[in-house]
Amino acid sequence: GENVEQHPSTLSVQEGDSAVIKCTYSDSASNYFPWYKQELGKGPQLIIDIRSNVGEKKDQRIAVTLNKTAKHFSLHITETQPEDSAVYFCAELRSNDYKLSFGAGTTVTVRA
Amino acid sequence: EAQVTQNPRYLITVTGKKLTVTCSQNMNHEYMSWYRQDPGLGLRQIYYSMNVEVTDKGDVPEGYKVSRKEKRNFPLILESPSPNQTSLYFCASSFMTSGEAEQFFGPGTRLTVL
Repeated sequence: GENVEQHPSTLSVQEGDSAVIKCTYSDSASNYFPWYKQELGKGPQLIIDIRSNVGEKKDQRIAVTLNKTAKHFSLHITETQPEDSAVYFCAELRSNDYKLSFGAGTTVTVRA
Repeated sequence: EAQVTQNPRYLITVTGKKLTVTCSQNMNHEYMSWYRQDPGLGLRQIYYSMNVEVTDKGDVPEGYKVSRKEKRNFPLILESPSPNQTSLYFCASSFMTSGEAEQFFGPGTRLTVL
């Protein structure tokens, strides 16, 4: 399957600052984009998702934006806290086989 | 507690020695899947199952087998492991088969093949 490009691969932010992770996809027919958070020693866990009929979705300090024209979507974490330190994966639901393609992951470190 | 369990969590083995990683979920999910996670490559799907006795290949199925005899269990079998199968493996389950439902991941199995 086609891959999702995810940037940056690592991100270090000061506590209280914002973190932004961007993903680019190529399947223009894709319409579901989840984000998963993986804490050290654990499996990934869904934190937010967005469907193509909306451009932005928020859940407390986390927001996701989707630009279907440019085929990219982004995760925004505001007022970062130490517990936000983790690996974050974006994903795209492929339209040809309805399977998830994951990005390579972003390791976020929040400095106290 | 709703969860996906995997065993073992860590395994070191040698080339060619058959092994099985078990996966079990207690959420009555129809959909189950296996992924491998490698640095710089994210999560790649190995096999998946839409229901009992129904399994299909994911993106990287070579060298792996699975079975789904019961709804709750989905073991991953490596008949003749090779060093390139050294990886972190995750089992996942979901209540929907369309792909848009949340996938619940197990804690992972770190496999080293010498």
